[in-house]
Amino acid sequence: GIQVEQSPPDLILQEGANSTLRCNFSDSVNNLQWFHQNPWGQLINLFYIPSGTKQNGRLSATTVATERYSLLYISSSQTTDSGVYFCAVGDNYGQNFVFGPGTRLSVLP
Amino acid sequence: DSGVTQTPKHLITATGQRVTLRCSPRSGDLSVYWYQQSLDQGLQFLIQYYNGEERAKGNILERFSAQQFPDLHSELNLSSLELGDSALYFCASSDPTSGGAIFNEQFFGPGTRLTVL
Repeated sequence: GIQVEQSPPDLILQEGANSTLRCNFSDSVNNLQWFHQNPWGQLINLFYIPSGTKQNGRLSATTVATERYSLLYISSSQTTDSGVYFCAVGDNYGQNFVFGPGTRLSVLP
Repeated sequence: DSGVTQTPKHLITATGQRVTLRCSPRSGDLSVYWYQQSLDQGLQFLIQYYNGEERAKGNILERFSAQQFPDLHSELNLSSLELGDSALYFCASSDPTSGGAIFNEQFFGPGTRLTVL
């Protein structure tokens, strides 16, 4: 089945810093989403981005489907950005939606 | 708030028991998905229903079953519970018009935390 990797596994930032999170996947996909799981466990939908680039405030994402990776950019990070960021992909067979292991982000005041 | 509701928020039960988790999708969404998040397995897709019909099946154990009712709410039934079934169970829903893929853009509920003692 499709494999999803995320890097880095852990990231500690000072408030105001910028960061880039990466998601690599092993096969072509028809769906890619980025989620933020906050410290209370809630999964928040950030981007639906099977290809191309999107921006939403301080966050933006780019997926290069032909090269099988996606990037999530966080600018001017805030303490409320802390949590785990997951990338998830839907395989082309429509049979599985696979989450990566996540990147744990800690933003310090 | 994603618009997806799940009940109960917490559930504590004993090994060997059976429980039912409930999910109501966002208004207008026809697809419902179930996921399990455990410490050792991470987030795993269990099963998807679309307008009452099973559409995709992931890593769902035979002891687990689900259904989607005519009003589009869904239930996940977990039976013969084991300690390893302790996890956070998420439901998600999607709008069929948001894309042609089976796994359209999904919105997640707050989850049900199951503890098996």
